[in-house]
Amino acid sequence: DAGITQSPRHKVTETGTPVTLRCHQTENHRYMYWYRQDPGHGLRLIHYSYGVKDTDKGEVSDGYSVSRSKTEDFLLTLESATSSQTSVYFCAISYRADYGYTFGSGTRLTVV
Amino acid sequence: ILNVEQSPQSLHVQEGDSTNFTCSFPSSNFYALHWYRWETAKSPEALFVMTLNGDEKKKGRISATLNTKEGYSYLYIKGSQPEDSATYLCASTNTGNQFYFGTGTSLTVIP
Repeated sequence: DAGITQSPRHKVTETGTPVTLRCHQTENHRYMYWYRQDPGHGLRLIHYSYGVKDTDKGEVSDGYSVSRSKTEDFLLTLESATSSQTSVYFCAISYRADYGYTFGSGTRLTVV
Repeated sequence: ILNVEQSPQSLHVQEGDSTNFTCSFPSSNFYALHWYRWETAKSPEALFVMTLNGDEKKKGRISATLNTKEGYSYLYIKGSQPEDSATYLCASTNTGNQFYFGTGTSLTVIP
């Protein structure tokens, strides 16, 4: 996915540990998003950012925090990972809020 | 939270058949609708962005229509090919900031 990378691609962590996922873009897009994908639920928005240090909650934000200290990086932190946060996490970027998104390759997180 | 629904959940068609599926969304305060194509083990890829009632978009054999008054969009694939096999997602917003995704229609094209 040109212009957007997620790291790590895979992670296994223990319940109760903090975890940070990184989304990095080279497109200089203003909008960045974190989604999680779960069977039967499709993609659900966790948090999004509309500029440096400007973030807002999505529909499933409990247990997650985000930070965006510079345009190119949007970090998603699970403060204390739980098994219910086992999921595939996708980052997306957009030039404008109503433009189509460009998605990253996803991070598969397993909490054991 | 917007309730975005897609139907059918899955679909199997023969190569060469044309097919269509539906995305339903709340029509009040409609702002925009997206269609994405999502192949297994890849990331969703944007197909169309639609904002105006009556919009029709086309990309090759794939086209989409939008009815904002009644709250639905159709995606059509003409002459389906095996490479069209994927999950097709739609997403809608009434604010422009948060898009809500449907759970997708999984299309399998049988050679």
